[in-house]
Amino acid sequence: DTGVSQDPRHKITKRGQNVTFRCDPISEHNRLYWYRQTLGQGPEFLTYFQNEAQLEKSRLLSDRFSAERPKGSFSTLEIQRTEQGDSAMYLCASSGGGNQPQHFGDGTRLSIL
Amino acid sequence: EDQVTQSPEALRLQEGESSSLNCSYTVSGLRGLFWYRQDPGKGPEFLFTLYSAGEEKEKERLKATLTKKESFLHITAPKPEDSATYLCAPSSGGSYIPTFGRGTSLIVHP
Repeated sequence: DTGVSQDPRHKITKRGQNVTFRCDPISEHNRLYWYRQTLGQGPEFLTYFQNEAQLEKSRLLSDRFSAERPKGSFSTLEIQRTEQGDSAMYLCASSGGGNQPQHFGDGTRLSIL
Repeated sequence: EDQVTQSPEALRLQEGESSSLNCSYTVSGLRGLFWYRQDPGKGPEFLFTLYSAGEEKEKERLKATLTKKESFLHITAPKPEDSATYLCAPSSGGSYIPTFGRGTSLIVHP
């Protein structure tokens, strides 16, 4: 049984560098979501895809953040010109659509030096 | 704007000491309310979905209930392995995007 997988699990980078994270959803799920979570907070929604279409991106934190899901399978989240405040856990989730529950990966922890 | 408040923020229990966690929400047009468990360094793990007031769901020592303004997660005779952060997340609107609360951090002492 393969759940949602995220890569890398940890990323340490210097301020100003670009970073890219990958998410592989559960294969039969057509919806894919990205969240950010900081210490003591719940996950904060960033964007989501239905198949390859990005249906909501107004809540991406700034224009430095972008996401793609080119063939409706895996997705990538890119942060350009990283800042100290970008340090957080970035979570990916997938679901079967509609009001089906989301299933999360174990996240990528980003640390900005 | 959807709002979710979970209380208490932290809860310490002795093994076997039952208690309840609260999730108060204000959303426009509730589509469903999700409960998740999150262990340190891990992603949230799905527990329950509740769709309408009066609905209840059970799983082992956990029971979730829903009213029009609140949801409760009741923990009966907890064990140390129940220690985790419990998150609630109501969803609303056409996109069904859930809004997560800050969670309740539960520690169960043996």
